[in-house]
Amino acid sequence: DGGITQSPKYLFRKEGQNVTLSCEQNLNHDAMYWYRQDPGQGLRLIYYSQIVNDFQKGDIAEGYSVSREKKESFPLTVTSAQKNPTAFYLCASTFGQHGHGYTFGSGTRLTVV
Amino acid sequence: AQSVTQLDSQVPVFEEAPVELRCNYSSSVSVYLFWYVQYPNQGLQLLLKYLSGSTLVKGINGFEAEFNKSQTSFHLRKPSVHISDTAEYFCAVSEYNYGQNFVFGPGTRLSVLP
Repeated sequence: DGGITQSPKYLFRKEGQNVTLSCEQNLNHDAMYWYRQDPGQGLRLIYYSQIVNDFQKGDIAEGYSVSREKKESFPLTVTSAQKNPTAFYLCASTFGQHGHGYTFGSGTRLTVV
Repeated sequence: AQSVTQLDSQVPVFEEAPVELRCNYSSSVSVYLFWYVQYPNQGLQLLLKYLSGSTLVKGINGFEAEFNKSQTSFHLRKPSVHISDTAEYFCAVSEYNYGQNFVFGPGTRLSVLP
């Protein structure tokens, strides 16, 4: 079945370390997104990519980086510059046409220890 | 710019009672509207969407929503809730002319009590 796979489900990071969250989709979707979710704050957009080799900053891009070398993959790196990285991270994708909803992955919970 | 408001951050309701989760949006152009559900430690799942046509939209798990253009609302309803409906619900809007990017509301936590 087609879908979005996020890995790992749980991730622990020491302060000062970079860590990369994986997001892979086999839906042939054009656009992919990364959101951060904190309790009581809904979803906040980190980065998005509408085509391969192109991506745009979202509302809270500082301390994060992404790449889009393949249509299927959109990894997110949480760098040491991100001061408060503990959160639930969600990846989503959609077709380029209007009106299609997002398909979400099951999320990665990142905890800084 | 578009925005989405969900007036109720938490809604407690007894099992088998009806429920309405409110969503209002602001936009200067036509929009597509969506409701998503999120169970604990999971991703978001699409409940239903309004693209055009009939203003009453039926979704999965017995939910429905009504689009009201004059009131810029898209409230979610279910006539009889179950314990398993306990979750976070998000309203989202996408403008016709803005591409695929969504704006999500802050979410409403529905708690169904026995």
